[in-house]
Amino acid sequence: ETGVTQTPRHLVMGMTNKKSLKCEQHLGHNAMYWYKQSAKKPLELMFVYSLEERVENNSVPSRFSPECPNSSHLFLHLHTLQPEDSALYLCASSQTSGSRGETQYFGPGTRLLVL
Amino acid sequence: GENVEQHPSTLSVQEGDSAVIKCTYSDSASNYFPWYKQELGKRPQLIIDIRSNVGEKKDQRIAVTLNKTAKHFSLHITETQPEDSAVYFCAASGPAEGSYIPTFGRGTSLIVHP
Repeated sequence: ETGVTQTPRHLVMGMTNKKSLKCEQHLGHNAMYWYKQSAKKPLELMFVYSLEERVENNSVPSRFSPECPNSSHLFLHLHTLQPEDSALYLCASSQTSGSRGETQYFGPGTRLLVL
Repeated sequence: GENVEQHPSTLSVQEGDSAVIKCTYSDSASNYFPWYKQELGKRPQLIIDIRSNVGEKKDQRIAVTLNKTAKHFSLHITETQPEDSAVYFCAASGPAEGSYIPTFGRGTSLIVHP
């Protein structure tokens, strides 16, 4: 599948490092999302961008900083992370229709390990 | 905001049996109910969805039913196979401003024993 791509697929970083996750969607969607998925936990919505504007931030610590330069690209900048931030980070995209919900298309995820 | 409850959290069946996963939602205005399957180490992918103007939808061995009055919807898998083993997530969304953002259930881990 090439609809939504994420890089890197795996990342190991120390608590003092700075790294960025990248997501790209080729589906012509106008909304993009970051989710955190920890072992045996549900999908946790982190950030939502619609038409390149942040519309939701679910009380995410400031050590996570999103960036959406255009409707096809989404970044998650990471700095001074904690070991409990180790998880699978999933990007998703969807179309936003004025009156109804739409399917989300997920990327393959970035498996992050913070040492 | 919307709240989605999903049960059971784990479901173990024998190959060939049926499996049913249930979700309830709180916002009566929600109008889109997708189901996603996430195999081990892979991304969640849509397997079936239903909109509020329909009561049931089928696609081969999988079906989804929606009861708007009771605000619950269910995923039915018949003749389960080992490859059906995965985590299944339900979600609800729409139509109010900003409600295209789905609310997900906590997931059901389905194990199909050969």
